[in-house]
Amino acid sequence: AQSVTQLDSQVPVFEEAPVELRCNYSSSVSVYLFWYVQYPNQGLQLLLKYLSGSTLVESINGFEAEFNKSQTSFHLRKPSVHISDTAEYFCAVIVGAQKLVFGQGTRLTINP
Amino acid sequence: DTGVSQNPRHKITKRGQNVTFRCDPISEHNRLYWYRQTLGQGPEFLTYFQNEAQLEKSRLLSDRFSAERPKGSFSTLEIQRTEQGDSAMYLCASSSLSPGTKDTQYFGPGTRLTVL
Repeated sequence: AQSVTQLDSQVPVFEEAPVELRCNYSSSVSVYLFWYVQYPNQGLQLLLKYLSGSTLVESINGFEAEFNKSQTSFHLRKPSVHISDTAEYFCAVIVGAQKLVFGQGTRLTINP
Repeated sequence: DTGVSQNPRHKITKRGQNVTFRCDPISEHNRLYWYRQTLGQGPEFLTYFQNEAQLEKSRLLSDRFSAERPKGSFSTLEIQRTEQGDSAMYLCASSSLSPGTKDTQYFGPGTRLTVL
């Protein structure tokens, strides 16, 4: 069965510093990969997705993720974070069947 | 497009009571999903519908849980004889079968259930 591992449960960084949130998946077939963001007491918002084509995908608020098939990874990066980026970030995969399989989440905390 | 909406946003109930949640998907989205999220965890799949047909149910969905989507639009999730272990955020998502979307799912704000 496919699975998703988010290697860091919490990532504290200072404002304007770069950040990388790591995500690895297990699958032997083609995958579709997603990053969702969840602010406190809210639902999930789609941040970005890889379906096909370019392995580097970007969001409108400066995040990017790169699909690396050989390393089965889909790490999320941002070159300079803002206080408003404080949230929980979830990596997820769809393989074959329609349901999303999520990682455990990474709590990103931005310190001033 | 209005997004996915869920009601109520919060529900507090006593153990043993029945509760029902409603989800209204993005209009014209064919698929509707229910997930459950407990504290500190990622969401876990419960069930999904394509139009009015319920196509898959997780083992997490015990006999006390039932979901419906009678007209292929909104959906309800009912939990009978609630237990304290049912306390969680219940998330609804919808997606379109349009080519190129690969079932990209859009989530509602969730219903937080607390069972006392």
